[in-house]
Amino acid sequence: DGGITQSPKYLFRKEGQNVTLSCEQNLNHDAMYWYRQDPGQGLRLIYYSQIVNDFQKGDIAEGYSVSREKKESFPLTVTSAQKNPTAFYLCASSIGTGLDTEAFFGQGTRLTVV
Amino acid sequence: GQQVMQIPQYQHVQEGEDFTTYCNSSTTLSNIQWYKQRPGGHPVFLIQLVKSGEVKKQKRLTFQFGEAKKNSSLHITATQTTDVGTYFCAGLDNQGGKLIFGQGTELSVKP
Repeated sequence: DGGITQSPKYLFRKEGQNVTLSCEQNLNHDAMYWYRQDPGQGLRLIYYSQIVNDFQKGDIAEGYSVSREKKESFPLTVTSAQKNPTAFYLCASSIGTGLDTEAFFGQGTRLTVV
Repeated sequence: GQQVMQIPQYQHVQEGEDFTTYCNSSTTLSNIQWYKQRPGGHPVFLIQLVKSGEVKKQKRLTFQFGEAKKNSSLHITATQTTDVGTYFCAGLDNQGGKLIFGQGTELSVKP
């Protein structure tokens, strides 16, 4: 099945620990995105990547890091510098960044930091 | 930076009533996309509008893109309980690359 997979679905970490969220797609999409969703705040862009080995900061990149070493993978690391990391994280991909680019989302990872 | 504002944040309707959500951008958009997120789910693409003044329909849903390509609306006629969820607009910025989402409108439908 073609799609975009995030794992795990639920993740618990202790405060001060870094944690990496996985995002894999087999849609052969060039563009990938990470969003954070908090109640009442919609989807806020953390990082995005238009092509392998390249990525750009979104609106709330502080405390996060990403890599794009392979076209199909775009892992997100939530570092201990992120002040309020508990949230629902969504990964998405699209064919590219031209005009006709619907985004396909993964199921999301709900991160809880205690 | 570019912002996409969406109103209202919440809308509660009786089944059969109409519903509209509005989206406004601080800058001209290359396109506007609409997504629906069911409770506990992830956003799913509904439609994309590209042309100035474009109107598209999907059964009871009508989507419009403003003449200046800075605003958009989604209108649902005669809501049903299956319409429950959060509706997001998203715009691709002029430089390309960044897909910016509005805050979403959460729709609840009372049977």
